[in-house]
Amino acid sequence: AQSVTQLDSQVPVFEEAPVELRCNYSSSVSVYLFWYVQYPNQGLQLLLKYLSGSTLVESINGFEAEFNKSQTSFHLRKPSVHISDTAEYFCAYAPVYGQNFVFGPGTRLSVLP
Amino acid sequence: EAGVAQSPRYKIIEKRQSVAFWCNPISGHATLYWYQQILGQGPKLLIQFQNNGVVDDSQLPKDRFSAERLKGVDSTLKIQPAKLEDSAVYLCASSLVARGNTGELFFGEGSRLTVL
Repeated sequence: AQSVTQLDSQVPVFEEAPVELRCNYSSSVSVYLFWYVQYPNQGLQLLLKYLSGSTLVESINGFEAEFNKSQTSFHLRKPSVHISDTAEYFCAYAPVYGQNFVFGPGTRLSVLP
Repeated sequence: EAGVAQSPRYKIIEKRQSVAFWCNPISGHATLYWYQQILGQGPKLLIQFQNNGVVDDSQLPKDRFSAERLKGVDSTLKIQPAKLEDSAVYLCASSLVARGNTGELFFGEGSRLTVL
């Protein structure tokens, strides 16, 4: 079955601490991988994506994610979080030759002062 | 550039009533999606349009849900009659690319439905 797993439903972390949000996917075909962020009372926004090339991709606000094909993972990391990073983070994939996006259940990141 | 517009933002109805949600995608975006996001879950695709044609509606409960995208621009999602389990946020998204997934999905703020 095709699916996205985000094992941690909630991750509390203190400000300026590092964080890792885990994502694993299951697919029988090649996929593109995405992380979306949803701030309170807002729609989902693309944070970063892996299409091809370097397996390490970065966002403009300091997040990075690494595609690991053998482990079918696309974990999201940030070395030092800010209060403003508090949001829900969704991992998603889309088949390279398809059109549908499959989303994980989300991880709620709470950054504490 | 204007984003994806959705209305209403909030709607409360009783079970067995009907409701309609409206979405206006970003200008020029060929592909439009409706997702259902139940509390604590990720978005689940209900229906995908490419221009005014349906690409995928395999997960749309067709006995009560319907959607249309007239003239390939804005879209309406209707639920009739509503059930308690339809309580969710209904997200509209659009994408520039007509095929393939290298493009980004742009989401609206969502319409939160509460069925009592």
